[in-house]
Amino acid sequence: QSVLTQPPSASGTPGQRVTISCSGSSSNIGSNYVYWYQQLPGTAPKLLIYRDNERPSGVPDRFSGSKSGTSASLAISGLRSDDEADYYCAAWDDSLSGRFVFGTGTKVTV
Amino acid sequence: EVQLVETGGGLVQPGGSLRLSCAASGFTFSNYNMNWVRQAPGKGLEWVSYISSSSSTIHYTDSVKGRFTISRDNAQNSLFLQMNSLRDEDTAVYYCCQGGSCDTWGQGTLVTVSS
Repeated sequence: QSVLTQPPSASGTPGQRVTISCSGSSSNIGSNYVYWYQQLPGTAPKLLIYRDNERPSGVPDRFSGSKSGTSASLAISGLRSDDEADYYCAAWDDSLSGRFVFGTGTKVTV
Repeated sequence: EVQLVETGGGLVQPGGSLRLSCAASGFTFSNYNMNWVRQAPGKGLEWVSYISSSSSTIHYTDSVKGRFTISRDNAQNSLFLQMNSLRDEDTAVYYCCQGGSCDTWGQGTLVTVSS
């Protein structure tokens, strides 16, 4: 039972911009950093965005993160066919003695 | 290069036990907090447990409290998850990941709970 809500799917054509939302609450997104992960088919997840809007080395600047209040967003610009994957947001939640919560996941289709 | 390799998965009957291991290399393991995350077949990611670098702080998701135990051996660069009283709903790929926010992930090990 995820406490972070994402749309189940998003789609776009090559070159387009796609945005994925992540809705939480004051105990998670509202008071802690947001992280985004990409999971390509049949592989382990990979960190895409950390601390709301920072990119690990090697992640293209086509991927960007933002946060406002208790919601966050991941934007993918210049959409490519190899961006087709599942995307998850996550954040630490300060309720119930601490837990790391993932979003429900969004399948991006190109 | 950071590498995490999980082992120990397999088929187990309901009520049984398994011990997962995660061998870490390419970084100073003792400096990093670690997590276990699982993914049931066709489902999303679910955080399972967290352990701080010195093992002083440990957290579990509610559904595994009292059944699973996370531990680590910094001298052996290894992370563990002891899973007891396994249930059908524990069936999943189990990943270990580096850092408090899962900076790097292993390839996962499949745990199947079935009679």
